[in-house]
Amino acid sequence: DTEVTQTPKHLVMGMTNKKSLKCEQHMGHRAMYWYKQKAKKPPELMFVYSYEKLSINESVPSRFSPECPNSSLLNLHLHALQPEDSALYLCASSQVGSGGFNEQFFGPGTRLTVL
Amino acid sequence: AQSVTQLGSHVSVSEGALVLLRCNYSSSVPPYLFWYVQYPNQGLQLLLKYTTGATLVKGINGFEAEFKKSETSFHLTKPSAHMSDAAEYFCAVTDSGGSNYKLTFGKGTLLTVNP
Repeated sequence: DTEVTQTPKHLVMGMTNKKSLKCEQHMGHRAMYWYKQKAKKPPELMFVYSYEKLSINESVPSRFSPECPNSSLLNLHLHALQPEDSALYLCASSQVGSGGFNEQFFGPGTRLTVL
Repeated sequence: AQSVTQLGSHVSVSEGALVLLRCNYSSSVPPYLFWYVQYPNQGLQLLLKYTTGATLVKGINGFEAEFKKSETSFHLTKPSAHMSDAAEYFCAVTDSGGSNYKLTFGKGTLLTVNP
């Protein structure tokens, strides 16, 4: 199984709502990533988890809260978002190792609209 | 910091014509280089990668790229375009050492294929 799944595919939320995005992989990867992609732009790294611990936080606002409950799951909790947070949110996973290349496998993304 | 520059935000070719998408990197040490493709409303898929070894890299769907250190380039080519190649293409770079979690993407090139 070389698939990364993300739910939901689409999400519309108000600025006062709390919602969560979910990502799952069963490839045995121990690194998982959240990216944000605005229209006609490249993906921007938000968070990296390595062995279920937060490894990289790219100065993301606290209204985005990541969680890695186990090695297969990655969540992104959303609270008090702004309309400019509307974007495609991509999850990825990879093996972990230093000095070599670890291909990142991407999920299809969640299209988020904040009203 | 490492970066890649993709020349041309939009490339249009006729079906059956040569596809050439340009990417130049900026790095003081040999980087790892990648080309990803993104079809509409989908995640990213790895086309090919250069890490070490042979400088001509073959990927999926008939694409290939050549790493030219003297020109700091990693251009993507395909001899004959198909309609199904229409998509957004991203060149990306990461460190050749360390845990190489961080992919830095170029701004992307939208490829359209005309019948």
